[in-house]
Amino acid sequence: NAGVTQTPKFRILKIGQSMTLQCTQDMNHNYMYWYRQDPGMGLKLIYYSVGAGITDKGEVPNGYNVSRSTTEDFPLRLELAAPSQTSVYFCASSGQLAVLNTQYFGPGTRLLVL
Amino acid sequence: AQTVTQSQPEMSVQEAETVTLSCTYDTSESDYYLFWYKQPPSRQMILVIRQEAYKQQNATENRFSVNFQKAAKSFSLKISDSQLGDAAMYFCAYRARGSQGNLIFGKGTKLSVKP
Repeated sequence: NAGVTQTPKFRILKIGQSMTLQCTQDMNHNYMYWYRQDPGMGLKLIYYSVGAGITDKGEVPNGYNVSRSTTEDFPLRLELAAPSQTSVYFCASSGQLAVLNTQYFGPGTRLLVL
Repeated sequence: AQTVTQSQPEMSVQEAETVTLSCTYDTSESDYYLFWYKQPPSRQMILVIRQEAYKQQNATENRFSVNFQKAAKSFSLKISDSQLGDAAMYFCAYRARGSQGNLIFGKGTKLSVKP
């Protein structure tokens, strides 16, 4: 199993540009999450999904959009990039049962907005 | 709102010795999970250990163990026989059992291991 994969690994955007961060998991997990990690800080939840077609906002959703058309994929969309969105973005997934509640993380995408 | 506090921004330990990283949390929930994640320079988030609040027994994973004090809302991580590969950022995280997914993270502790 590859686990949780994310692309790209690194990207530089100009202010106002758009991009999609890709996230795929092959563990058949229902739950998927997007976090951002600013320098010197812990991770903060942007959006999450409890299954295909169901998404909800986390702590810091402004400036982002998500969709979940399949169990495996959970892309994160930045419509109008701003310098404040410079961060490292992590995707994670977890199973539904209590014993499987541990979240497994992808390797992260480093985004620089200039 | 739940919060997680790691009061030690940086810690240092000599190779082969033991170090304890502190974590406190605030919640009104009675059932929840606590985690320690390791983030090496590669930035990959790696689960180190987890604790279920309803279990009184402290979790242990090889050289890693926790001291879970539910009444004090404290969840410290002890690393025994420290190795150079243990050098990383360590994040304490909380998740309410009934929540849909919110992991609440502390700001992290940077652990250095001296040879």
